[in-house]
Amino acid sequence: SQQGEEDPQALSIQEGENATMNCSYKTSINNLQWYRQNSGRGLVHLILIRSNEREKHSGRLRVTLDTSKKSSSLLITASRAADTASYFCATVLTGGGNKLTFGTGTQLKVEL
Amino acid sequence: ETGVTQTPRHLVMGMTNKKSLKCEQHLGHNAMYWYKQSAKKPLELMFVYSLEERVENNSVPSRFSPECPNSSHLFLHLHTLQPEDSALYLCATARAFNTGELFFGEGSRLTVL
Repeated sequence: SQQGEEDPQALSIQEGENATMNCSYKTSINNLQWYRQNSGRGLVHLILIRSNEREKHSGRLRVTLDTSKKSSSLLITASRAADTASYFCATVLTGGGNKLTFGTGTQLKVEL
Repeated sequence: ETGVTQTPRHLVMGMTNKKSLKCEQHLGHNAMYWYKQSAKKPLELMFVYSLEERVENNSVPSRFSPECPNSSHLFLHLHTLQPEDSALYLCATARAFNTGELFFGEGSRLTVL
């Protein structure tokens, strides 16, 4: 079974609203990363949060990590149509080198 | 422009063909990866090279053959593929094998007829 699972699978919101995506994982991690993928394109790294961190910000992005619940959330504030993409969480397991394990992603659609 | 360039962007091939996917990086990174992305499935790690040595081979069928001739180039040679191999193949790099962030290319969309 996969390490990271995103929830919801799909999310549709209006421009200006906030979007929240969640990621749950099963085993102890070294760090957790979020990536964005526009349709048919490569993945773009958004943010990395280490296991000893609880929250990180980058522009309109806010990521939280709760290691006790083995979960993370990605919040995009004041969403824009350009934020329409798939968002993936990826985990690096403790002692797992740089082997990233990806989830199946959340498809976000931001409508005008 | 991510600094990781993949060619071709689209490839259609028959099951008996031999073709290659190419990845070139201009980031000076030491680790290079091949991932497979199929619809409705998580990204699958196929191969990892660190300092031009293969360090990971994730039970990939032998019809996929990687090659890393130098630190800037990574190839995926394809031979006698199956229709289920149709997918987006993504190349990624990292500063080093144990560092966090991956830099992806735009991918090569492969269709096997």
